[in-house]
Amino acid sequence: EVQLVESGGGLVKPGGSLRLSCAASGFTFSNAWMSWVRQAPGKGLEWVGRIKSKTDGGTTDYAAPVKGRFTISRDDSKNTLYLQMNSLKTEDTAVYYCTTDEYSSSSGTTSFDYWGQGTLVTVSS
Amino acid sequence: DIQMTQSPSSLSASVGDRVTITCRASQSISSYLNWYQQKPGKAPKLLIYAASSLQSGVPSRFSGSGSGTDFTLTISSLQPEDFATYYCQQSYSTSVTFGQGTKLEIK
Repeated sequence: EVQLVESGGGLVKPGGSLRLSCAASGFTFSNAWMSWVRQAPGKGLEWVGRIKSKTDGGTTDYAAPVKGRFTISRDDSKNTLYLQMNSLKTEDTAVYYCTTDEYSSSSGTTSFDYWGQGTLVTVSS
Repeated sequence: DIQMTQSPSSLSASVGDRVTITCRASQSISSYLNWYQQKPGKAPKLLIYAASSLQSGVPSRFSGSGSGTDFTLTISSLQPEDFATYYCQQSYSTSVTFGQGTKLEIK
């Protein structure tokens, strides 16, 4: 059974930093592309960024609002995904979900197949 | 970024109704369109990928169609557990974007 468990959320002041973790199990993590998606209170879903598998280059992509402030990394030996968030702003307040970023060879498309339960980050003074 | 616009933003319907939600992309995205269901306090769940492919385990009353810029999610006969918020999402561009959501409520 695929499991994704996020941790590390909490209250942080504007300008501060926080690192989220996502522990993965039930699938071959090292082969997986992974993404972070966030949801501000009462709002819709917003993609934050992704990291590809090392065999696919291990490269990262980010949404414009977080580029230069957030960094996604992975430790395949620990089956863990990370999101380092720096220079946090009040508008970064959200539940942060980690997701698998699945590629379908039959359709050539990607989709977020599995999601964690989310961890809440609150940025407030 | 590619903008995704869903309509309606909210919808009231009854158990047994046939419901259709529309998603429009600001440019052609071929069939790079997914649909998700989210219930309050829960993570989203993938329903449809590649515009019309049903995710494993999802009931057959859910179906998707469309290509290019216009897409639809149809629920053929609403069940009590289907009342939730639905999101479309494009994976055509590197910068993934979601629609704003459609909240499906009980009439």
